[in-house]
Amino acid sequence: DQQVKQNSPSLSVQEGRISILNCDYTNSMFDYFLWYKKYPAEGPTFLISISSIKDKNEDGRFTVFLNKSAKHLSLHIVPSQPGDSAVYFCAASGDTDKLIFGTGTRLQVFP
Amino acid sequence: EPEVTQTPSHQVTQMGQEVILRCVPISNHLYFYWYRQILGQKVEFLVSFYNNEISEKSEIFDDQFSVERPDGSNFTLKIRSTKLEDSAMYFCASYHDRSNTEAFFGQGTRLTVV
Repeated sequence: DQQVKQNSPSLSVQEGRISILNCDYTNSMFDYFLWYKKYPAEGPTFLISISSIKDKNEDGRFTVFLNKSAKHLSLHIVPSQPGDSAVYFCAASGDTDKLIFGTGTRLQVFP
Repeated sequence: EPEVTQTPSHQVTQMGQEVILRCVPISNHLYFYWYRQILGQKVEFLVSFYNNEISEKSEIFDDQFSVERPDGSNFTLKIRSTKLEDSAMYFCASYHDRSNTEAFFGQGTRLTVV
């Protein structure tokens, strides 16, 4: 039961360009969405979130877009930097506070 | 910056043995969680804990699993009789409150059952 899906297991982007990571969800009860970044052998680190009452949230180089009608969200990183290379997880929560995670997208930013 | 700490970082145990994974959440946080990630798979919710009791648990969290907060600072996950399929990274997380703020995760404990 994959309520949160990240269909691209990997993404490779040149330094300075935009990285776009996508996430789809199926549960219409989800009302809060988060992006986490994870390095090997470390726990997920919170990046940015968005409530379902918004369609965009921006924090520095990171912007999250939410399209509720399409049940789709995306994370834009611009400009991408080599230090952004990590696995990015989309997560969602609804009427309970547990997080439902996607399978992750491995981003590699090359010089 | 306050952080969630987990010990040990790596635990190797024989099948059938009991293990206890330990977590020290951020001090003013009230909601505590365990998640796990089997190698190559997604991070999965196990259990949430608030006000000294379980508030929600997943189907993974069967009778072999238990959690407790014995002394007001540590938050532990016990697996009574480990199975090979329990091998995973286990992450502790905490929130201050439920106003949709982000959960802070520990660095994880890698459990290997042999």
